[in-house]
Amino acid sequence: ETGVTQTPRHLVMGMTNKKSLKCEQHLGHNAMYWYKQSAKKPLELMFVYNFKEQTENNSVPSRFSPECPNSSHLFLHLHTLQPEDSALYLCASSQDYTPSTDTQYFGPGTRLTVL
Amino acid sequence: GDSVTQMEGPVTLSEEAFLTINCTYTATGYPSLFWYVQYPGEGLQLLLKATKADDKGSNKGFEATYRKETTSFHLEKGSVQVSDSAVYFCALRGNQKVTFGTGTKLQVIP
Repeated sequence: ETGVTQTPRHLVMGMTNKKSLKCEQHLGHNAMYWYKQSAKKPLELMFVYNFKEQTENNSVPSRFSPECPNSSHLFLHLHTLQPEDSALYLCASSQDYTPSTDTQYFGPGTRLTVL
Repeated sequence: GDSVTQMEGPVTLSEEAFLTINCTYTATGYPSLFWYVQYPGEGLQLLLKATKADDKGSNKGFEATYRKETTSFHLEKGSVQVSDSAVYFCALRGNQKVTFGTGTKLQVIP
């Protein structure tokens, strides 16, 4: 398998559930990202990991908890979510996190619905 | 901070029509500029990019020119096809991170 994969593709959860989103990249990249895509809003960068270290957390609520065990895998652990957290969650990767290596490769996303 | 402004969609065109999707930006320094495309049910794919003023990015018949004097990076295609129907995102990479526009949905009808 090549590129960036995400599982599950669709997820419906209640506000009291705990679930995890998984992202895997097969590109040999060192940087990985979580984005939130909501209708009629710009893509929101949530977290950035570079060489497994978190380098950015854009004021994301603590009910979203990222984990990066190695450069190929990225998780987003979800708990006690709110209905407004329903969105498409996109994972991306890039060679690393510097201005000179700026092309990001995206996965297909996980469509999350919080009831 | 950095920002990207795109024309609001949806844009509906007939096949073989000329396409322009406007994009303007504000940023400090000399950002790199990008167009990404998102087909239904898929993630974003890089369509083209330009890294300095007056550079022209091109791919699959699409092109955009980095205009520093007007802080613009408009996307154009001479003859669109039904298969070009998608959402197009303008983005910039400044000193800190990539900033995306809200996206413009393009619908091409036969």
